[in-house]
Amino acid sequence: GAVVSQHPSRVICKSGTSVKIECRSLDFQATTMFWYRQFPKKSLMLMATSNEGSKATYEQGVEKDKFLINHASLTLSTLTVTSAHPEDSSFYICSARDQGGVTEAFFGQGTRLTVV
Amino acid sequence: RKEVEQDPGPFNVPEGATVAFNCTYSNSASQSFFWYRQDCRKEPKLLMSVYSSGNEDGRFTAQLNRASQYISLLIRDSKLSDSATYLCVVRALNAGNNRKLIWGLGTSLAVNP
Repeated sequence: GAVVSQHPSRVICKSGTSVKIECRSLDFQATTMFWYRQFPKKSLMLMATSNEGSKATYEQGVEKDKFLINHASLTLSTLTVTSAHPEDSSFYICSARDQGGVTEAFFGQGTRLTVV
Repeated sequence: RKEVEQDPGPFNVPEGATVAFNCTYSNSASQSFFWYRQDCRKEPKLLMSVYSSGNEDGRFTAQLNRASQYISLLIRDSKLSDSATYLCVVRALNAGNNRKLIWGLGTSLAVNP
């Protein structure tokens, strides 16, 4: 079945540094990718939707200059957390949808970011 | 009111028990409905879609009542491996007319030996 690979699975970084998270679709072309954030004991919150070759659409309250999203190819989207702060520590998950997809059923394994 | 609300849980049940989860949604224009399962510190995995006529997949039965804006998931003969958080998910159109998944907080299930 379709597989979405997310990397890294876990990262610890210092405050003020930037962290890049990759999301790859391995056996299908992901025209749309979604980036979520999940805090402990909270539901998944959609951060942004990215379409290949165009600018990402950010949800209300998500700073686009802080969370840079690039979707340059049909198999890769990246999320860069710039100038990370401890409050950015969270579980970040991507999901992908192919051209004919009906649901965003394919999720990456998630990235647990800890900013110290 | 939250867009998707679920039973607060946690549910602690013995093996073999039948357990039911409820979910309500606020947007009457919601188009599609799903149950996902999420294990601790893992990504969510699609358990099943929910259809108006109700649908069953082995020990799992999902029901949808559009009039009441209510979704349910029934697990029969629960197994230890069913222990997880079950997320109710609704797809609707956002202000920009784009499809968007809206996630419930999840209900935690612990099946005990």
